Amino acid sequence: QVRLVQSGAEVKKSGASVKVSCQASGYDFTAYYMHWVRQAPGQGLEWMGRISPHNGATNYAQRFQGRVTIITDTSMTTAYMDLNTLRSDDTAVYYCATAGAGADYEAFEYWGQGTLITVSS
Amino acid sequence: QAVLTQPPSASGTPGQRVTISCSGSSSNIRNKFIYWYQQVPGRAPKLLIYRNYQRPSGVPERFSGSKSGTPASLVISGLRSEDEADYYCAGWDDSLSGWVFGGGTKVTVL
Repeated sequence: QVRLVQSGAEVKKSGASVKVSCQASGYDFTAYYMHWVRQAPGQGLEWMGRISPHNGATNYAQRFQGRVTIITDTSMTTAYMDLNTLRSDDTAVYYCATAGAGADYEAFEYWGQGTLITVSS
Repeated sequence: QAVLTQPPSASGTPGQRVTISCSGSSSNIRNKFIYWYQQVPGRAPKLLIYRNYQRPSGVPERFSGSKSGTPASLVISGLRSEDEADYYCAGWDDSLSGWVFGGGTKVTVL
């Protein structure tokens, strides 16, 4: 079955950077986009960007352009999301998500368990 | 401010029908597929509807989606206590070249 396992919670200082990993299994990792979505406390879902593990092509949400980098290591079937210049409003749960050979090639059908990133001043 | 607009809340008694709307613009909803996600607090979202009205395997038939222009809608027929959750619509936006979500609708079962 498809599984996405994310790295653990972290506490960071303002101005620092954070790297969250997402290890995938149970499907052809290179065949489907891997997305990153975040959710601030008590807020809604916000798409940050995606990567095609097949060729490394990325798309980032405009508000994160220049601050976020998404990469993959296909040998480890792992995706990484790096967010720099952290601010207190970056405190959120960060999720990876993929279609992963599910019902639809674009849907976010499979999700990681989420990684809480807390940014303190 | 979310690109797609949903009502912040909806409610009903067990067995009732609840409708959640999702409106947008010509760069997203009008010409693109809409997806719906259910999120129970503290859990990751779950895909409920894809490509406007299709249900993944395992999603109960009481959940249905429709889209005729804008807005798109998610209908829960025969509301059950376990349907109490937050519901989000999502779709691709051509102008933003990215995925966008609605602000979410909290469904309460009275």
